[in-house]
Amino acid sequence: GAGVSQSPSNKVTEKGKDVELRCDPISGHTALYWYRQRLGQGLEFLIYFQGNSAPDKSGLPSDRFSAERTGESVSTLTIQRTQQEDSAVYLCASSLGPSGVRETQYFGPGTRLLVL
Amino acid sequence: GDSVTQMEGPVTLSEEAFLTINCTYTATGYPSLFWYVQYPGEGLQLLLKATKADDKGSNKGFEATYRKETTSFHLEKGSVQVSDSAVYFCALRGAGGTSYGKLTFGQGTILTVHP
Repeated sequence: GAGVSQSPSNKVTEKGKDVELRCDPISGHTALYWYRQRLGQGLEFLIYFQGNSAPDKSGLPSDRFSAERTGESVSTLTIQRTQQEDSAVYLCASSLGPSGVRETQYFGPGTRLLVL
Repeated sequence: GDSVTQMEGPVTLSEEAFLTINCTYTATGYPSLFWYVQYPGEGLQLLLKATKADDKGSNKGFEATYRKETTSFHLEKGSVQVSDSAVYFCALRGAGGTSYGKLTFGQGTILTVHP
């Protein structure tokens, strides 16, 4: 079956521009997560969606970052006025639920963002 | 807050050698513990997990035991293969009600296995 997909796979942008990153979770997965992986570092949590609400936005690094989700489907992560320190791989994951036997998160291939 | 400390790499081994990648954590209560693996050119995928103390997760010849007393979840394999070359991430899901399932990751360990 289809896994988590993300687009674009690579994005090069100029400092100050806005970017939108898209995530299509596995069908039926109500939980969706965004993470960021900077070069040589582990993954950092950004935001969690349950359905189309976001009960945990604690990882968003600044108000330039926002995300939304349509129902239990597509999510978009938007970075406004990009800065060079935003360069990273942005990973999306989905799971049947946030805990218990449904908690296993399945990751997409990521979007590699480079801000020049 | 929750944190994961993972053995620094890179780790280079010969085929059939024994592998240990250390992982220790800080968290309240009883978190769930995971090892994820990222093969070259592929996405992150779950390797194994354990959800309570003394549980052993295993998959593809890899094992890790949830040790509450030492707050550790070390990854082991008795005989590595070239195909095990990848980046390995230790992670935890907090037990608190506000953790909402988010994972806290270690920095990753690059493993290279030579023939």
